[in-house]
Amino acid sequence: DTAVSQTPKYLVTQMGNDKSIKCEQNLGHDTMYWYKQDSKKFLKIMFSYNNKELIINETVPNRFSPKSPDKAHLNLHINSLELGDSAVYFCASSHRTASNYGYTFGSGTRLTVV
Amino acid sequence: GESVGLHLPTLSVQEGDNSIINCAYSNSASDYFIWYKQESGKGPQFIIDIRSNMDKRQGQRVTVLLNKTVKHLSLQIAATQPGDSAVYFCAENRGGGADGLTFGKGTHLIIQP
Repeated sequence: DTAVSQTPKYLVTQMGNDKSIKCEQNLGHDTMYWYKQDSKKFLKIMFSYNNKELIINETVPNRFSPKSPDKAHLNLHINSLELGDSAVYFCASSHRTASNYGYTFGSGTRLTVV
Repeated sequence: GESVGLHLPTLSVQEGDNSIINCAYSNSASDYFIWYKQESGKGPQFIIDIRSNMDKRQGQRVTVLLNKTVKHLSLQIAATQPGDSAVYFCAENRGGGADGLTFGKGTHLIIQP
């Protein structure tokens, strides 16, 4: 199936730990993103990568470090996890054409920090 | 029924009625807008999009209206069905080809039998 897939779907961890979330897209898109959705359902962009190059870093703490080994993958590593990091994290991808951008989202990773 | 997408308001409509969800966007230079549907435990799912050179676009049971003068976007769902229950978000393209989307705050649509 063509899609944006991210793992794990659920992640429960203790404060201070380091964790990673993986994302892969097989849509042939050249841009990938990470978004954070808080408890009030508000969705906000964190990072954007185009052809493995960082384009946007929306004042995210440097404990968050995205890594793009190739343009089909964008992983999110989080150091020293804090309670406030608890949220749902969505990976997305896009590719600009003449008619649209083809934004496609993964199904999310629910991170709970205890 | 009608609602403005602030602080995740709830719009409750009778099954079979039409729903109207409203959204105000922020950037007058945005060239592209999307409506998303998010069901519980899932990611945002594309419903319909519209470019800034249009003021109306229709899909299957859905219509998006764009008023650039007042920076307002609306989603109309005809003959609302139980499967339409979800949170609906408007989103505007931030610019360029890799700048991503700015999302509105969402509206929770509830369908009453």
